[in-house]
Amino acid sequence: QQPVQSPQAVILREGEDAVINCSSSKALYSVHWYRQKHGEAPVFLMILLKGGEQKGHEKISASFNEKKQQSSLYLTASQLSYSGTYFCGTEIAGGTSYGKLTFGQGTILTVHP
Amino acid sequence: GAVVSQHPSRVICKSGTSVKIECRSLDFQATTMFWYRQFPKQSLMLMATSNEGSKATYEQGVEKDKFLINHASLTLSTLTVTSAHPEDSSFYICSAQTDYEQYFGPGTRLTVT
Repeated sequence: QQPVQSPQAVILREGEDAVINCSSSKALYSVHWYRQKHGEAPVFLMILLKGGEQKGHEKISASFNEKKQQSSLYLTASQLSYSGTYFCGTEIAGGTSYGKLTFGQGTILTVHP
Repeated sequence: GAVVSQHPSRVICKSGTSVKIECRSLDFQATTMFWYRQFPKQSLMLMATSNEGSKATYEQGVEKDKFLINHASLTLSTLTVTSAHPEDSSFYICSAQTDYEQYFGPGTRLTVT
């Protein structure tokens, strides 16, 4: 079942922060975050594995609460280059196909000068 | 590192013809590759999981005789769309898995006239 992302869209000015949430109805083994720009393939941002960890690099970080089956992506001090559609991909715990991801519907992030 | 290439990037074909799309992992070996289809402004939909040396596993609703997948080596998987029709027009993206992470190719935009 497809994870649910919220919000569907967010508009920011440069330097502002944003949070994108990803929620699943099933127990998860991992959550993957990607950013996709128009007409291009998704670009890998980070992966969070079962264990309730938090990861980050530069001004983009994420958390994974496996009990709540939720993950959040945090974008701080946004830059124009952050604009794009963000997808979470979830891997179900105990699934039969290793690495099989189901993607959320996407969150459109627009950063204005 | 973790570069995935796809060829061709764009293809236009006539209805009834077949089209082959190649997906290569350039700097790593991928025992598992995935094929996705993405319609405009929609999320990525997994079509099939491709494992080197074995038959691909197709998602429900994906016709295995229409979308032929071959994973000939640890760095190459191919998707052949047979007897293509206009409704097959879409953005086809492959991903290759290394350890836990998946990296996407640049995608192939297929237009069937």
